[in-house]
Amino acid sequence: NAGVMQNPRHLVRRRGQEARLRCSPMKGHSHVYWYRQLPEEGLKFMVYLQKENIIDESGMPKERFSAEFPKEGPSILRIQQVVRGDSAAYFCASSWTGARNQPQHFGDGTRLSIL
Amino acid sequence: DQQVKQNSPSLSVQEGRISILNCDYTNSMFDYFLWYKKYPAEGPTFLISISSIKDKNEDGRFTVFLNKSAKHLSLHIVPSQPGDSAVYFCAASAQTGANNLFFGTGTRLTVIP
Repeated sequence: NAGVMQNPRHLVRRRGQEARLRCSPMKGHSHVYWYRQLPEEGLKFMVYLQKENIIDESGMPKERFSAEFPKEGPSILRIQQVVRGDSAAYFCASSWTGARNQPQHFGDGTRLSIL
Repeated sequence: DQQVKQNSPSLSVQEGRISILNCDYTNSMFDYFLWYKKYPAEGPTFLISISSIKDKNEDGRFTVFLNKSAKHLSLHIVPSQPGDSAVYFCAASAQTGANNLFFGTGTRLTVIP
């Protein structure tokens, strides 16, 4: 969907394990955004990154969650010591610039299930 | 605190008729609005956007109307087609923030052939 690649598409973890979600933006895009969608809800912003920089992490839970977008390779959203409430669909989006008239293009998401 | 609201969880429309999806917002700092369409098991797909300096933007069968005084926007699809059946999300961003989007909870549109 729109060239943003997320993997894995489905991820199952047991409580206490770590979850790593990967996002490769569209070619040429250097701005990445992570959103979380709980069942029957809209997408909620988590974090906005540029290459090697976190621009805005105001939507990230204070503990257990971290994100990075290294110079080389995909962006990673990491959730440590997962709990049942982390079960959700996690979407990554990318844009060419951070300008607001550049729409964000979304990947198909990673569905995280916590047993 | 839901700053973008879509109060109709679902809408059914006959093929060929107009679909009108509504969205309200509470944050007066929002000045850029977008509509996304989402199919099951896929990510949202950008449809159309509007800046607060305009009150209407049109792209083919899709038109978005913005009423700033009422903090309300709507998406009109005409004529509606069965392939339009999906969940539609309204989203907004504020000039003062980074480019993060605030989404509504979505409206499921069903176009009946």
